[in-house]
Amino acid sequence: GNSVTQMEGPVTLSEEAFLTINCTYTATGYPSLFWYVQYPGEGLQLLLKATKADDKGSNKGFEATYRKETTSFHLEKGSVQVSDSAVYFCALNTNAGKSTFGDGTTLTVKP
Amino acid sequence: EAQVTQNPRYLITVTGKKLTVTCSQNMNHEYMSWYRQDPGLGLRQIYYSMNVEVTDKGDVPEGYKVSRKEKRNFPLILESPSPNQTSLYFCASKLTSGGADEQFFGPGTRLTVL
Repeated sequence: GNSVTQMEGPVTLSEEAFLTINCTYTATGYPSLFWYVQYPGEGLQLLLKATKADDKGSNKGFEATYRKETTSFHLEKGSVQVSDSAVYFCALNTNAGKSTFGDGTTLTVKP
Repeated sequence: EAQVTQNPRYLITVTGKKLTVTCSQNMNHEYMSWYRQDPGLGLRQIYYSMNVEVTDKGDVPEGYKVSRKEKRNFPLILESPSPNQTSLYFCASKLTSGGADEQFFGPGTRLTVL
């Protein structure tokens, strides 16, 4: 079956530090890839997505590139803020209707 | 406002007492899904529905039932809840069953089974 592996957390950074959260996947066919963010007490919301190889998704300073050769979709941000503190989930969708999520990575940004 | 709503938001119940968690979306989405979130395990898909009267099992369907009689509603039924179903549950929807569409999530239902 499909699977998504995220780097283990939690991750603690100082404000303005560079962020990378690694995500690799296994899937048959050509999945679409997503990053979702979950703030405390809330449901998940889309951060960015990429639907085919070499696509780059970006939003709010976050970026991730769909790398088919390395089956990866790493999340990056050049300068994090305290307000970026949240749980980040990497996920994939197939056209068959199934969705697979990683375990989530908790990010804490300190002033 | 476009949204996915879930009720109740919090529920404490006892083993074996049937319960239903409702989910409704007002975006005319074809696809709906249920997930459970447990510490260290991320989100795991319970059931999904690609359209009215079409449902299919996700990765952890045991102990759950669903139905999709109307496009907007997708209730989750626990006919005989057990303590291992204590979890945070999320309903989600997306425009179509195609892989490229992102999901919109409800606020979650925290269920405790004693």
